[in-house]
Amino acid sequence: DIQMTQSPSSLSASVGDRVTITCRASQRISYYLNWYQQRPGKAPKLLIFAASSLQSGVPSRFSGGGSGTDFTLTISDLQPEDFAAYYCQQSHSLPRTFGQGTKVE
Amino acid sequence: QVQLQESGPGLVKPSETLSLTCTVSGGSLSSYYWSWIRQPPGKGLEWIGYLDYSGNSDYNPSLKGRVTISVDMSKTQISLKLTSVTAADTAVYYCTRDSPPNMASDSWGPGTLVTVSS
Repeated sequence: DIQMTQSPSSLSASVGDRVTITCRASQRISYYLNWYQQRPGKAPKLLIFAASSLQSGVPSRFSGGGSGTDFTLTISDLQPEDFAAYYCQQSHSLPRTFGQGTKVE
Repeated sequence: QVQLQESGPGLVKPSETLSLTCTVSGGSLSSYYWSWIRQPPGKGLEWIGYLDYSGNSDYNPSLKGRVTISVDMSKTQISLKLTSVTAADTAVYYCTRDSPPNMASDSWGPGTLVTVSS
């Protein structure tokens, strides 16, 4: 299985901050990397697919980058509704695997 | 806009079979892949398996042959069966729609909590 490692596991930020979360794959996955946001008690929501493509309806303050093994999710101008958990997922190989999550507090 | 809704028993006894149904409305099952993903309380996400629009399926080896995903096209329902459950199978279970070619899960059901306990 491909292991996905996110860092940090949690971070403290304030409204208006720029936040970057990283995700590293244990082997090369090209651009088959997706990012999800999960608010407490809710289902995850797709933010970014194919490493850098913004899902329809997602605010442009979210952006993704990287390819191969190293990826980033950046939230510029953090908003109150962005305080949540974020997960990366590789869809290059089966079984699809997720990072352990990053909680933005 | 497609909507997904999971349903099934919220409590299952150890060693029994967990059975859940995902009803898809507002869209066709064709041209998409359909996955089940679970999340134990307070923990991360685990991919269980998927079914494609041709009826082919693949599963997480970690579930050691206990899982089956099937489809009822006439009812636009995706089903999950997990046999020989233990307390470790207690989780919120989500069904998702996955869009080729990247296979990101772009639509999710609200999830259903299944507790394994006697």
